[in-house]
Amino acid sequence: AQKITQTQPGMFVQEKEAVTLDCTYDTSDPSYGLFWYKQPSSGEMIFLIYQGSYDQQNATEGRYSLNFQKARKSANLVISASQLGDSAMYFCAMREAGGSQGNLIFGKGTKLSVKP
Amino acid sequence: DTEVTQTPKHLVMGMTNKKSLKCEQHMGHRAMYWYKQKAKKPPELMFVYSYEKLSINESVPSRFSPECPNSSLLNLHLHALQPEDSALYLCASSQHSGSPYNEQFFGPGTRLTVL
Repeated sequence: AQKITQTQPGMFVQEKEAVTLDCTYDTSDPSYGLFWYKQPSSGEMIFLIYQGSYDQQNATEGRYSLNFQKARKSANLVISASQLGDSAMYFCAMREAGGSQGNLIFGKGTKLSVKP
Repeated sequence: DTEVTQTPKHLVMGMTNKKSLKCEQHMGHRAMYWYKQKAKKPPELMFVYSYEKLSINESVPSRFSPECPNSSLLNLHLHALQPEDSALYLCASSQHSGSPYNEQFFGPGTRLTVL
């Protein structure tokens, strides 16, 4: 079974609107971290935001926020006020405390296109 | 400074060549990683170095040889590669390798083409 599921291969959003990228995860480990990365066409993986399994509040970083629903095992990324530069591939990822050292488990990604 | 640098940015090599990819970080991180990423796929972990020692080798063919000369540098030596090894090679670092709470910071990658 997939540990990280991103069900939206591609998404379109109008500039200046908000968009939600979905991510669900599967783990029995009580200690884990969830991460979102942005990868523009240039290739660099840019770290956006992190949520720890014991964090009580949803993480926020500027225009990015993570909607963490632990019981539903979802960690959706919300981008507010989309900009043209937000067009990229977005990966959700997880690390488990009991997992293989260094093992960052990635979803298949969502390609976001921002329309002017 | 959350920067990981990689050189070269692009590399084209023949199947008989020997080349090296270089990665550097100055964040004081003690874990460094090599990933391989094919087009339209997520990155796949190749190697993990923790405190300059190889801690994970994800069954990578011996034509890829990693090296960690010191805590800031990570190399990937390439020899006798195959065309299917053409990919984006990403280096990353994190404070430690074992914690699930440390984010990994990635470099810009090296786009490798094997002819």
